[in-house]
This record gives sequence, C-alpha cells and structure tokens, in this order.
Amino acid sequence: SQQGEEDPQALSIQEGENATMNCSYKTSINNLQWYRQNSGRGLVHLILIRSNEREKHSGRLRVTLDTSKKSSSLLITASRAADTASYFCATVLNNAGNMLTFGGGTRLMVKP
Amino acid sequence: KAGVTQTPRYLIKTRGQQVTLSCSPISGHRSVSWYQQTPGQGLQFLFEYFSETQRNKGNFPGRFSGRQFSNSRSEMNVSTLELGDSALYLCASSLLGSTHSYNEQFFGPGTRLTVL
Repeated sequence: SQQGEEDPQALSIQEGENATMNCSYKTSINNLQWYRQNSGRGLVHLILIRSNEREKHSGRLRVTLDTSKKSSSLLITASRAADTASYFCATVLNNAGNMLTFGGGTRLMVKP
Repeated sequence: KAGVTQTPRYLIKTRGQQVTLSCSPISGHRSVSWYQQTPGQGLQFLFEYFSETQRNKGNFPGRFSGRQFSNSRSEMNVSTLELGDSALYLCASSLLGSTHSYNEQFFGPGTRLTVL
C-alpha cells in the first residue's frame, strides 16, 4: 500500500512557469525524498529532506516539509521542457533507509 | 562509475512460467533493493538485500523471491507467473544498508515484464 498521496495527479504548464506538487503521508517518518522518472524509465533521486528540516533547496528545486500536517511540497521554478516527467515522493521510516514507500506520483508536462 | 544495470530490459512470458531478473549495482554498493511498478498499484517495495542477506521484505506473495551474490549482484525470481505480474521491475543500489536512514538510492533502467 502506498504511504503517500500526491496532488495533483497531472499538471500541465508553460515553460518558464513554476510547478508545485504536493505529497501527503500517513505515518511518522525519518526522511522524505523526491524522485523523477522519465517515460517509464528508472528513477532519479532529486532531493532528501530530513524530518527535522522544514525547507531545502537544490538548484531550481525547493522542498518543504510539514511533519505536523504530514505533508511535503516540491516546487520547480522556471520550468523547462526537459522537466517533463513524473515526480514521486517517497518516505523512509527509521532503520529502514533503503525501503522507500512511494506516493502515486504527479505527471508534469512542460510545454515549450 | 558505471550505473546500475538490469538485464534483460524487456521480457515476455506466459502465465505459469517463471522468470529471473538480474541487477548489477554500482561498484562498491552493497545494498540492492527491488521495486515493482504497475499502473494500478504504483511503485511498491519488494525486498532489500545487503551483504547477501535479505534485510527487508514488502507485502508480496512467496512467488517473489530474490538473492544476492558475494559480488553484490542480485537476482529476483517470480514463479508461476500471473497476468498481474506484468510490470516494470526496478532495482536500486545503495552504499549503505537500511540501518542508515539517509541513503541515496540509485535506480537502474528497469526490466519490463509482460505476462501473456
């Protein structure tokens, strides 16, 4: 069963716009990670945020974590056509660092 | 360093058959995890191997099994295939085992299994 649910399921924007994806989860976590997947290929790790962190940045990516609401958001700024992909959040429990529990994913399409 | 490799990339089998998928982790990585991805159930954790021992297991029937060799390469086996086993099977390698929570996992391209 999936730990997280993502919202929206699909998002279509124009190049240059910002894209925001949200993830909610059910149980207490050690950390939350975001991954990108292009067209049914392997997953690429984007960013990891620990449970005691509230915000993290990596290039054009900004991730927030609200453990009281059990939710996280991924913001991609100044999107590019190459950002078109599916984005997944994954939660990690204590002492289970390699056992990722994924959300359903958001399919992002960035139109040139 | 070479990335995670999975073989074969595509596979077609019929119901009742069995299948073995292979995963070679990044050199030096000792942990290999397997995931199943389907349109209906999404990405689900199958199991993790570290130093040839299964460390974690997801909620899958006993038809799904795996093993890891001394060189960290891993195989997963599905016996008595069912139509619902059609999926993309992904493996991921990590330097550290699950007792370390802040591990970055590196995924392979996947094996797409179709069961007819």
